[in-house]
Amino acid sequence: ETGVTQTPRHLVMGMTNKKSLKCEQHLGHNAMYWYKQSAKKPLELMFVYSLEERVENNSVPSRFSPECPNSSHLFLHLHTLQPEDSALYLCASSQEGFGGYGYTFGSGTRLTVV
Amino acid sequence: QQQVKQSPQSLIVQKGGIPIINCAYENTAFDYFPWYQQFPGKGPALLIAIRPDVSEKKEGRFTISFNKSAKQFSLHIMDSQPGDSATYFCAAGNSGYSTLTFGKGTMLLVSP
Repeated sequence: ETGVTQTPRHLVMGMTNKKSLKCEQHLGHNAMYWYKQSAKKPLELMFVYSLEERVENNSVPSRFSPECPNSSHLFLHLHTLQPEDSALYLCASSQEGFGGYGYTFGSGTRLTVV
Repeated sequence: QQQVKQSPQSLIVQKGGIPIINCAYENTAFDYFPWYQQFPGKGPALLIAIRPDVSEKKEGRFTISFNKSAKQFSLHIMDSQPGDSATYFCAAGNSGYSTLTFGKGTMLLVSP
């Protein structure tokens, strides 16, 4: 365990479904992130939360909706997704200013949209 | 200015070889340069990081070389092993902010 736990590990959903991805960190960090990782593509930053406030939204379609109820939990709500949204979704956390430790990533949720 | 360019895209070396992965950046405000290692089915894990006040940092078989004037940094893996086969990402960030900018990754295969 890296200190950042993501559930579920795998998710298959239809294009009309609504589902949520969950991320929990036990490191006392105050910033959390969602990244999308597609095959043969770089890590794409989706959302950044710092001190529970969203500070960055990288032109992500509205079918992805983040929620950060507290500094330890982060959710990504999904609805009416497209097949091209199939990817590995990674959650990460960090301390502001990094403190020399950078990000700690979870193991990701492998999402397949059918 | 936010890009981090990483090369090569893929790399094959024999066991015991020294793979070298290079990254270049443009934003002179970056002051934190980590490398991440990712195995299939796992999230990236921090491998080693450097700040621009030093030109080299070693941790075990992994070494970062940093050239501030050229705005380049590289990862060297000494005595590479098949277990080092993974995807490696360089990144850059500014200590005043929390967001890292990642390179596109290098798939390394170390053959037995």
